[in-house]
Amino acid sequence: EVQLVQSGAEVKKPGESLKISCKGSGYSFTSYWIGWVRQMPGKGLEWMGIIYPGDSDTRYSPSFQGQVTISADKSISTAYLQWSSLKASDTAMYYCARPTVDFHSAFDIWGQGTMVTVSS
Amino acid sequence: EIVLTQSPGTLSLSPGERATLSCRASQSVSSSYLAWYQQKPGQAPRLLIYGASSRATGIPDRFSGSGSGTDFTLTISRLEPEDFAVYYCQQYGSSPNTFGQGTKVEIK
Repeated sequence: EVQLVQSGAEVKKPGESLKISCKGSGYSFTSYWIGWVRQMPGKGLEWMGIIYPGDSDTRYSPSFQGQVTISADKSISTAYLQWSSLKASDTAMYYCARPTVDFHSAFDIWGQGTMVTVSS
Repeated sequence: EIVLTQSPGTLSLSPGERATLSCRASQSVSSSYLAWYQQKPGQAPRLLIYGASSRATGIPDRFSGSGSGTDFTLTISRLEPEDFAVYYCQQYGSSPNTFGQGTKVEIK
């Protein structure tokens, strides 16, 4: 079964760093892009960026460029989303998702989401 | 960046009725790279439609998508109780990919 399993919920303070993960299984991890999507409480979906684990080619939405870092470790089939200094406004559910075929594809496989809460 | 505007914001309908959701793009979506997703509370989004009109695996045929260029539509022919949810469109033809703000389909 193709699936993406994300790391658990996090509660952090402003200014702290964080790295959340998304582990792929049931398919060739290096052959598919993996994207990240933010959903703030009660709000819609926002496309943050995407990485190709095969060669680490990474694209960011201008809204998130410089605010987060997307990476991947193909040896353990895991993609990451990280922050160096969290803000309260980073409080959200974060989903990883895999496109059906390539970069120009819809997301057909989604992780269960990781809730990040940033509060002093 | 392509901005997607969904309408209406909320659709109040009864089971068995037809739902028509609209997604308008600020510029043409290349190669009809448009998808529709359904999201229920506490769940991840689920892909319904890709390529503007192709149903994803396992999606019932009461869901259909149409449109091209800047105007796209998701139609649910007869609402089932499990269809009451929030629906999002997404364009994936231009970087950055973008989502619409969502349409909530609620029980009247």
